[in-house]
Amino acid sequence: GAVVSQHPSRVICKSGTSVKIECRSLDFQATTMFWYRQFPKQSLMLMATSNEGSKATYEQGVEKDKFLINHASLTLSTLTVTSAHPEDSSFYICSARALQKETQYFGPGTRLLVL
Amino acid sequence: DAKTTQPPSMDCAEGRAANLPCNHSTISGNEYVYWYRQIHSQGPQYIIHGLKNNETNEMASLIITEDRKSSTLILPHATLRDTAVYYCIVATGANSKLTFGKGITLSVRP
Repeated sequence: GAVVSQHPSRVICKSGTSVKIECRSLDFQATTMFWYRQFPKQSLMLMATSNEGSKATYEQGVEKDKFLINHASLTLSTLTVTSAHPEDSSFYICSARALQKETQYFGPGTRLLVL
Repeated sequence: DAKTTQPPSMDCAEGRAANLPCNHSTISGNEYVYWYRQIHSQGPQYIIHGLKNNETNEMASLIITEDRKSSTLILPHATLRDTAVYYCIVATGANSKLTFGKGITLSVRP
């Protein structure tokens, strides 16, 4: 299957700082990438849909100015959590859709802890 | 997208087949049935998907009823590494949103 990577896998930061998470499709091109968030013992919740070369579409209740998404190429999307606070601590997961495929493939996730 | 209903949990013995049910009675004609699984602290792993016909790959088989209102994921020979939360999702395609429910927790016992 297609491979999606995320970096970093784990990050700890101080409250008020910004954190950037990268999502890469390693062996395929992805016109669309998705960002999810998962709190402990809960299911994945979609945050935003990222299309290459255009602005991301955010789900209701997700602050676009806080969670900045950039999809600059067909293999890379980034999520920046700006001015992170402890309540932003979560497991962030991206997925990517391969061109001409009906399947989304997920990255391994990034665990963010804000102190 | 249509919603799905799954039992909260089930278990099976190692080496035996695991049959995971899913109800999607409001599925539309253009919606696929997708199955993913999530092993603790990892991203979801794609297993299989189908539209109308039964599907099989190296991981599992997907049996979709003729009316498409339910489906069953079959892991033919479950191993301890198959212990995970399994999500049944219906969606119109890869560009559509995948709405994750609570899934079914499969526990494979030795």
